[in-house]
Amino acid sequence: EPEVTQTPSHQVTQMGQEVILRCVPISNHLYFYWYRQILGQKVEFLVSFYNNEISEKSEIFDDQFSVERPDGSNFTLKIRSTKLEDSAMYFCASSEAEEYEQYFGPGTRLTVT
Amino acid sequence: AQKVTQAQTEISVVEKEDVTLDCVYETRDTTYYLFWYKQPPSGELVFLIRRNSFDEQNEISGRYSWNFQKSTSSFNFTITASQVVDSAVYFCALRESNFGNEKLTFGTGTRLTIIP
Repeated sequence: EPEVTQTPSHQVTQMGQEVILRCVPISNHLYFYWYRQILGQKVEFLVSFYNNEISEKSEIFDDQFSVERPDGSNFTLKIRSTKLEDSAMYFCASSEAEEYEQYFGPGTRLTVT
Repeated sequence: AQKVTQAQTEISVVEKEDVTLDCVYETRDTTYYLFWYKQPPSGELVFLIRRNSFDEQNEISGRYSWNFQKSTSSFNFTITASQVVDSAVYFCALRESNFGNEKLTFGTGTRLTIIP
């Protein structure tokens, strides 16, 4: 069964460093998303991406964040200068159409020290 | 603005008991979509069900059933004859259908513990 994959599973970085989180969505899906979950809290939307551009973003997704689909399979989230409060689990998701269910990857745990 | 409330923070039941997880939502849209996701201890988010606002039929899938009631803005989830493998955090989520709004808004989750 096709699934969303994410790498790395765990990333430790120092405050101020740039990180890139990688995702491979399900191959026939057209909509891509990033969410984050601070430990023990609810899942929060960051950004959605369709047709090679951002279609929606939340207040969390400020200028420090960017997304890219560098090729036909990968979907990346970059944080330019990490802060302590960026420590969270980051989930990538994809869906076949915007009204369909979103399938989530296993997540990348980002720890900023 | 869309909002999802899961008032039950934690529930514990003994194995084989039935348990219902509550979900109440708020939206101004007449067309919207409701979802349930399971987050087991391993951390991934597993899709369970999607429901459209224009389809109020209840759904059953094995031991799982969902009760959607527009009149009370609720989308409750019942597990029958619970098993230890059902132990997880369960999230209810809402997506409005207006153009450009693709995000899922999640509730705060209910941690379900099944006691063997």
